[in-house]
Amino acid sequence: DGGITQSPKYLFRKEGQNVTLSCEQNLNHDAMYWYRQDPGQGLRLIYYSQIVNDFQKGDIAEGYSVSREKKESFPLTVTSAQKNPTAFYLCASSIVQGPTDTQYFGPGTRLTVL
Amino acid sequence: RKEVEQDPGPFNVPEGATVAFNCTYSNSASQSFFWYRQDCRKEPKLLMSVYSSGNEDGRFTAQLNRASQYISLLIRDSKLSDSATYLCVVKAPGAGSYQLTFGKGTKLSVIP
Repeated sequence: DGGITQSPKYLFRKEGQNVTLSCEQNLNHDAMYWYRQDPGQGLRLIYYSQIVNDFQKGDIAEGYSVSREKKESFPLTVTSAQKNPTAFYLCASSIVQGPTDTQYFGPGTRLTVL
Repeated sequence: RKEVEQDPGPFNVPEGATVAFNCTYSNSASQSFFWYRQDCRKEPKLLMSVYSSGNEDGRFTAQLNRASQYISLLIRDSKLSDSATYLCVVKAPGAGSYQLTFGKGTKLSVIP
């Protein structure tokens, strides 16, 4: 089955630690995205990548880093510089990064900082 | 700041009712429009794209008014399984790319 997988589903982190969230897709999509969702808020874009070895900052990139070494993988690292990292993190992908392409989401990772 | 505004909700309706959600967007350069459905603690899933001529998918009808920058979603004959949060999503060109802007969502509870 084609789709987007994210792991882990739940993640607990101590303050001061970096953590990496995994996102893998087997849809052969060129574009991938990371969003953050806080309770009662709309999704906000952290980073996106239109092609392998290239990525761009979104609206709230501070305290986060990404890599895109393979087409199917787009891991997100939440660094200790991120002041309020507790949130629901969603990875998405689309065929290309165009005006009408639909984004499909993975099941998300719920990060809690203890 | 480019915004997407939705009815705050929540909407509590009986089974079989018809319910309408409204959404306005501020970016006149917006090109594509979508409704996503998000169940509690799950990822958003595409419900339908919205076209200028309006489109229907079973019990769901979406309308777009570009002049008023307004999008709507109508659900007829509500089912218990329709209970979810409905997200209005708009895509517009940005700096060398196209970006989605999400509304905060409207929560629907269909009551037996």
